[in-house]
Amino acid sequence: EDKVVQSPLSLVVHEGDTVTLNCSYEVTNFRSLLWYKQEKKAPTFLFMLTSSGIEKKSGRLSSILDKKELFSILNITATQTGDSAIYLCAVEFRSGGSNYKLTFGKGTLLTVNP
Amino acid sequence: DTAVSQTPKYLVTQMGNDKSIKCEQNLGHDTMYWYKQDSKKFLKIMFSYNNKELIINETVPNRFSPKSPDKAHLNLHINSLELGDSAVYFCASSQDRSQLTFFGQGTRLTVV
Repeated sequence: EDKVVQSPLSLVVHEGDTVTLNCSYEVTNFRSLLWYKQEKKAPTFLFMLTSSGIEKKSGRLSSILDKKELFSILNITATQTGDSAIYLCAVEFRSGGSNYKLTFGKGTLLTVNP
Repeated sequence: DTAVSQTPKYLVTQMGNDKSIKCEQNLGHDTMYWYKQDSKKFLKIMFSYNNKELIINETVPNRFSPKSPDKAHLNLHINSLELGDSAVYFCASSQDRSQLTFFGQGTRLTVV
């Protein structure tokens, strides 16, 4: 069965710390891996990764994909209280014919304390 | 302008009732989805429609019936609501080949 596993499930840090969130996957017909940030409402898009070894950056956030070892990491440097959220990893794969499906991990709850 | 909008945002109803949640996207996307997020925040796909045709139908009770009158709308109708249906339901859309999925703000359904 296709699956996406995130770790840790929850993490508490202090402002200024650097955190690394992990996402491993086992899917056939992999297409892309996406990271989302969910605060109180809908998940908002952070990164989409399709190629191994190419780091995507957006401010203090960065992410990289390893398609050989089947995992991705999301790094957040100099964390701020506004980074507190659930971080979701999702993997898109072909589910039959030309149809694609997005499967989510359970998320990592990050709490950044002042 | 909201890209993916769903109504209502909150829905409290009694067991056994029938309710609908509406979703509209103004992004011109071909594909729309319904996801269910449980109390532990786990997001799981329920349905996917591409150009008004059902392409993914996960194992959900047949009390749940999606309806897509056109490719900009995907409504979710739920019959005979049960306590376990309480969750947040997210509508989402994507362009067929762009892989990027945009989410609505969610509908928090509470069955009492």
